[in-house]
Amino acid sequence: AAGVIQSPRHLIKEKRETATLKCYPIPRHDTVYWYQQGPGQDPQFLISFYEKMQSDKGSIPDRFSAQQFSDYHSELNMSSLELGDSALYFCASSLDRVVAYEQYFGPGTRLTVT
Amino acid sequence: ELKVEQNPLFLSMQEGKNYTIYCNYSTTSDRLYWYRQDPGKSLESLFVLLSNGAVKQEGRLMASLDTKARLSTLHITAAVHDLSATYFCAVTYFGNEKLTFGTGTRLTIIP
Repeated sequence: AAGVIQSPRHLIKEKRETATLKCYPIPRHDTVYWYQQGPGQDPQFLISFYEKMQSDKGSIPDRFSAQQFSDYHSELNMSSLELGDSALYFCASSLDRVVAYEQYFGPGTRLTVT
Repeated sequence: ELKVEQNPLFLSMQEGKNYTIYCNYSTTSDRLYWYRQDPGKSLESLFVLLSNGAVKQEGRLMASLDTKARLSTLHITAAVHDLSATYFCAVTYFGNEKLTFGTGTRLTIIP
């Protein structure tokens, strides 16, 4: 069965650079979520989109922005990177946010900021 | 603010033993999830618990939910090495789909 695809899987950037993470949800899934997991931490919700509109926002820095495109893939744009942005970034998708019980997680993108 | 706490944070146990991980949450929620995560890997869904008294079992793992006590448990029976991982519980609010995760329990099974 098709799963959530994230690219790139690994990314190394320097401070003050920008990064773009991509997420391709499971086909027909209409909702995308982004989570950030720091080393040894639990995942923290960043932002979500339903039918290409932002549906909820969590602890996402102003330096970050995201959008969902017409083909339902989503991109997380991160600017002025800081050392503290080094983390695993997960994308998850679900179908029909009203009744869906599960969010299916992608493999994650490991971002390292040096 | 919704808070989700797990205990213990670290658990080292011998193969063949039984143990329980506890997940407490601060505010009424509508769904409780259990996930498994291997080091550096993604989150694997184990169970979704929807109502008070719900119990689900898969292999050596059994999860239960007591919504009145705002408590979920993940019970491990006759542990085997392959169960070594970090286990997270997570909850959602009514009408809000974002997952709020617990602190995680790092489980190590010793042969």
